[in-house]
Amino acid sequence: NAGVTQTPKFRVLKTGQSMTLLCAQDMNHEYMYWYRQDPGMGLRLIHYSVGEGTTAKGEVPDGYNVSRLKKQNFLLGLESAAPSQTSVYFCASSWQRGDEQYFGPGTRLTVT
Amino acid sequence: AQRVTQPEKLLSVFKGAPVELKCNYSYSGSPELFWYVQYSRQRLQLLLRHISRESIKGFTADLNKGETSFHLKKPFAQEEDSAMYYCALGGGSNYKLTFGKGTLLTVNP
Repeated sequence: NAGVTQTPKFRVLKTGQSMTLLCAQDMNHEYMYWYRQDPGMGLRLIHYSVGEGTTAKGEVPDGYNVSRLKKQNFLLGLESAAPSQTSVYFCASSWQRGDEQYFGPGTRLTVT
Repeated sequence: AQRVTQPEKLLSVFKGAPVELKCNYSYSGSPELFWYVQYSRQRLQLLLRHISRESIKGFTADLNKGETSFHLKKPFAQEEDSAMYYCALGGGSNYKLTFGKGTLLTVNP
C-alpha cells in the first residue's frame, strides 16, 4: 500500500496563477482533509470531505476550492494564487470521523 | 468549542534527560487524544493515542480528564527524538482533529 500520496512535491507559482494539488489514498478511507502548515501556526484545516461527492469548509478555506469526485482522490485548487498561500500543504485521510489520520508527504508551495 | 494548547513552542534537553511535552485541551464531550510526530521535512506520523495505552519509542502519555491534559513523557531522551510534536483532539461527533501549534523538541548530545 502506498498510503497517502501527494503530487506535486514542490511548486513555485507567480501571483495570480492557478494550480491543483492532488491527494490520493489507497486505504478506502471515507474522510479526507487538506491542511496547511506554517511556522508558529501549526496545522490549520482548509477543507475536508466526509465521503465521495462531499466537501466542507475548515478553519481557513478562503482562496481555496476542493473536489472529491472519486473516493480515493481529494483535489485542492488555488484559483488565483497569492503570496499568503506560500506554505506546506498536507493531505490526510481517516477511516472514521475524529479518528487517527494518515498523512501524505506534503507539497511545498511558494508563491512569488 | 474545542481547543488544544501546547504551551511550549521550543523545548531543549540533553541526551539521557527526562522530557515532558505538555498538552492541555478544552472539549465538552468525550475526548480522543493523539500525539503526532514530524521529523525534519517528513510527513506527520501517529506516535500514540490515549485509548491504546501503549508505549511507543519509549514515550507514554496519560489522559487526565480532571486536569484536561495529555502530556507526553519519556524518561531518557535520545538525539533521534528531536522533532516537532503535535497534540491532537478528536472524538464524539467531530469529523476532524484539532491540532495544537506544536512543540519543537531538540535533544542535545
